[in-house]
Formats: sequence, C-alpha cells, structure tokens
Amino acid sequence: KAGVTQTPRYLIKTRGQQVTLSCSPISGHRSVSWYQQTPGQGLQFLFEYFSETQRNKGNFPGRFSGRQFSNSRSEMNVSTLELGDSALYLCASSLNPINTGELFFGEGSRLTVL
Amino acid sequence: TQLLEQSPQFLSIQEGENLTVYCNSSSVFSSLQWYRQEPGEGPVLLVTVVTGGEVKKLKRLTFQFGDARKDSSLHITAAQPGDTGLYLCAGALATGNQFYFGTGTSLTVIP
Repeated sequence: KAGVTQTPRYLIKTRGQQVTLSCSPISGHRSVSWYQQTPGQGLQFLFEYFSETQRNKGNFPGRFSGRQFSNSRSEMNVSTLELGDSALYLCASSLNPINTGELFFGEGSRLTVL
Repeated sequence: TQLLEQSPQFLSIQEGENLTVYCNSSSVFSSLQWYRQEPGEGPVLLVTVVTGGEVKKLKRLTFQFGDARKDSSLHITAAQPGDTGLYLCAGALATGNQFYFGTGTSLTVIP
C-alpha cells in the first residue's frame, strides 16, 4: 500500500512569509502527527490530529498550526516565518493514537527560511 | 533538557565491531520504540518494547527495556556498513498522550 506522502519536499521562504505543508497518511490511518527535526534540537513533537481533532500539542508557539480533513489528510501552517524555523518537517501516520502503536513517517518537507 | 537522553550522541566504528546505544529517562514509559533514520528519509520503526525487562532480537540487533520502564538499550553485534544511520528511541509516558523522541545517536560503520 502507498506510504505517507508529504508535499512539497523542498521549499525556500523568506522571513515573515507563511508556509503550508501537506501530509497524506496511509489509507485507513486516522492519526497524523507532525514533527520538527533540526540538528540542534533533534525531533520535536508539534501536534497530533486524530479523526479531525487535535489530540495534543507540543511546546511550539501559536505561529505553528494544523488541521486534519475528513479524509485524514493533514496540513500544517507556519506563519510569520523566522530563520529558526528552517528544519525538516516530518509527518507520521498511524492507525490509532500515537501513544498506542507504530508510526509511519513520510520523507519530510525541508524548509529553508532566508 | 530532553525527556529521553541517548548516548553516545555520535559513534564511529569499524565493520564487525559490537556497539550499544542507550536511551535513558527519569520518567516511566508505557512503551518504548526504536527507529532508524537514513539521510533524506523519515524514521523507520525497528522494534517496540512494552514490558519491563523485555528483550527482543531482530537479527543482529538486541533491544532491552529496563525493569522500571525508564530506559532502554540497543545492542548491535558485528556491525555492518548498512547499519549506518541515526538511531532514535521514542515513547509515550505512562500517563498522558504525548510522544517523545530521544536525542538520537548517529552511527557510522566504516567498511
């Protein structure tokens, strides 16, 4: 079956702009979670959506937001971009909530903020 | 301070050597997972350990969950260049919904 698909794979933005990243989970998976990965901070949990509801949220400012649609596809948005937002953004899908089973990751969206 | 601390952070060894990676916390986890991430890709699950004291083997990889469910280790026997990658432990606390990743161990196996 198809894996987790993230788009776009690469993007470059400038400070102050906003960006929207998309994640299509594995068919049948209802949980989508988002992570930020940087060399200095490692993998940091952003938020999880399960059946269109945000189930929990990590310690990130309100500029980071997300949503999940009825087909389980998810988007995350970062507004007023800062240089420190440059990172690999990973999405993971799972059949059940993330604290109960295996996560399947996409290849990520690499964001560079200039 | 990260909830899950891994050591060592970097490891470079010769092919055929053995190694152990540690994942430690002061918190109790309901389960712990180990993932491997290769450059340009997302992490891929290697194993999930659930019971305190549990040991699981995956070919040359041996995973152990601490008795108190606060730590875990990954032991690789006779490392091969294909084992090169970033190893991440991850888990859910015994209470709450959040999921935490460890600080990561970057392994390089030299042919």
